[in-house]
Amino acid sequence: DIQMTQSPSSLSASVGDRVTITCRASQSISSYLNWYQQKPGKAPKLLIYAASSLQSGVPSRFSGSGSGTDFTLTISSLQPEDFATYYCQQTYSTPPEYTFGQGTKLEIK
Amino acid sequence: QVQLQESGPGLVKPSGTLSLTCAVSGDSISSSKWWSWVRQPPGKGLEWIGEIYHSGSTNYNPSLKSRVTISVDKSKNQFSLKLSSVTAADTAVYYCARSRVLGYSSSSRHYYYGMDVWGQGTTVTVSS
Repeated sequence: DIQMTQSPSSLSASVGDRVTITCRASQSISSYLNWYQQKPGKAPKLLIYAASSLQSGVPSRFSGSGSGTDFTLTISSLQPEDFATYYCQQTYSTPPEYTFGQGTKLEIK
Repeated sequence: QVQLQESGPGLVKPSGTLSLTCAVSGDSISSSKWWSWVRQPPGKGLEWIGEIYHSGSTNYNPSLKSRVTISVDKSKNQFSLKLSSVTAADTAVYYCARSRVLGYSSSSRHYYYGMDVWGQGTTVTVSS
């Protein structure tokens, strides 16, 4: 099975900062990588699919990159509403086994 | 506007069976999408449980496969989760979600899927 590892596990940043979160797969997953945002007490929200495609309605300050085993989620200029936990998810496995990373909690500095 | 709503008992006894239903509105469960269950133990990350297509085809997390059954009721436009032989480790918020094709790679002939609509989640506690 494919393991997904995110780093860091937590991150403190300020409004306006540029932030990057990393996700590493235990084997190549091509570009079959999604990113989700989850706020406390709420369901996750899809931000990025296919490693770099922005989901409809998601602000352009969010971007994703990478392929193979190494991926990044970048927020170009943090807004107050961006403080949340972010998860990566692989959708490469056949048959499907949609593993999530352990999450990265983004906190206000 | 597509909405998913989970329902079911909030308390299940150890060794019992957890049963949840996800009602779908604004979309047909018979459309070309997969319908998923994801859970999140208190203070922890997300775990994919499994998914079902309207034809009844299913995919399950191997770590839960022996205890999980996902079914679909097209007449009620809903799908369900049953998890047997539960223990305290199954205590979690359970989410249902819609998973659909968002893109296609012609080079690898593989579809890109994403969970684009989620229910609000329901808390299930396993305790005597």
